[in-house]
Amino acid sequence: QKEVEQDPGPLSVPEGAIVSLNCTYSNSAFQYFMWYRQYSRKGPELLMYTYSSGNKEDGRFTAQVDKSSKYISLFIRDSQPSDSATYLCAMTYQAGTALIFGKGTTLSVSS
Amino acid sequence: GAVVSQHPSWVICKSGTSVKIECRSLDFQATTMFWYRQFPKQSLMLMATSNEGSKATYEQGVEKDKFLINHASLTLSTLTVTSAHPEDSSFYICSANPGTGQETQYFGPGTRLLVL
Repeated sequence: QKEVEQDPGPLSVPEGAIVSLNCTYSNSAFQYFMWYRQYSRKGPELLMYTYSSGNKEDGRFTAQVDKSSKYISLFIRDSQPSDSATYLCAMTYQAGTALIFGKGTTLSVSS
Repeated sequence: GAVVSQHPSWVICKSGTSVKIECRSLDFQATTMFWYRQFPKQSLMLMATSNEGSKATYEQGVEKDKFLINHASLTLSTLTVTSAHPEDSSFYICSANPGTGQETQYFGPGTRLLVL
């Protein structure tokens, strides 16, 4: 079993839809959880960062962490064509250590 | 926000030559930088962890003599692909951790390497 599992998609939705992206993980020691957005041929851009369990909201984006289920989610409300990208979940157990990434989910939002 | 740059963004070289990629943190100091490789439609795979002033720590399966990493200052790390071969063609991305208790990493824009 891989440490971090993420459905690669692709996921296609119409503009304005609510998008749900998810990752599961196996290492209960992970404490820090991140979502990155990566456009084609570009480096990942940090979207959301969450420590331990709970929810965090930033504009149209909401990140959720359920450590008891080892499950994290990213919700995108009112999705826009500009949200079309690959979304990578990442996590680590200690500050300053390397991130473990999911495979990434490719999202396409059509206008 | 924190900005990380990479140079060059795109390089084509002949098989057998060496290529140097620079990673710079522009507005913060990074005691730790990371080098990743990403193949098409794949996730980022960690190659090595680079600490300022000390030897890099390589992941299992990554040849340290082929991928030379130098973290000479708190804002610069370099990756040199020595005697590059076509199978080394990939997208190389660095990231930097600002430290001071922050767990997030900021990524450079990546360097696309094509070895002919």
